[in-house]
Amino acid sequence: GAVVSQHPSWVICKSGTSVKIECRSLDFQATTMFWYRQFPKQSLMLMATSNEGSKATYEQGVEKDKFLINHASLTLSTLTVTSAHPEDSSFYICSASFDRIYGYTFGSGTRLTVV
Amino acid sequence: AQTVTQSQPEMSVQEAETVTLSCTYDTSESDYYLFWYKQPPSRQMILVIRQEAYKQQNATENRFSVNFQKAAKSFSLKISDSQLGDAAMYFCAYRSGKTSYDKVIFGPGTSLSVIP
Repeated sequence: GAVVSQHPSWVICKSGTSVKIECRSLDFQATTMFWYRQFPKQSLMLMATSNEGSKATYEQGVEKDKFLINHASLTLSTLTVTSAHPEDSSFYICSASFDRIYGYTFGSGTRLTVV
Repeated sequence: AQTVTQSQPEMSVQEAETVTLSCTYDTSESDYYLFWYKQPPSRQMILVIRQEAYKQQNATENRFSVNFQKAAKSFSLKISDSQLGDAAMYFCAYRSGKTSYDKVIFGPGTSLSVIP
């Protein structure tokens, strides 16, 4: 149980276009989802926290207008990278809390390459 | 603010041997959870073991065990009988116990290699 499905696994887009990444909780209701960014050989950096039905809370230094997060239902959160540029190329991972003790379950990640 | 430190960027262990990964953290809270996550080359994050701060007993999951020293704010991971499949990045992580939606703070990670 407690599975988060993340799509797409990888995406290549042209500079200036927008890309949407979806995360779905398959067997539980994810009131809160977290979006991380990870560069090669580095740790996960929290970008934002999304709560169902309300605006996302962004970490300091994360551009809200570039990384649009929507959490319209208890099972779906989306991250849209707008006007993508090569420096946005990275690995993006979502996670959701399903149990206060057991922590979070993670999506399989999305590798974004902007050319 | 809470911080998590892993002082060993890279570690290696001989297959079947034991290795210990170090982690220290800083917090002023009394209620929190600590985790070790494994990230293999597939980059899927896998929970290895967890520890509730209010529990004095060290957590154990098969070949994985922790040494939780609350006063010293230390949380090391011991892997016994290392296997080739243990090769991965290992992240120590902290989570406040205030709510069920507190963010997880990750350490910088330790890359573990297993030598056949």
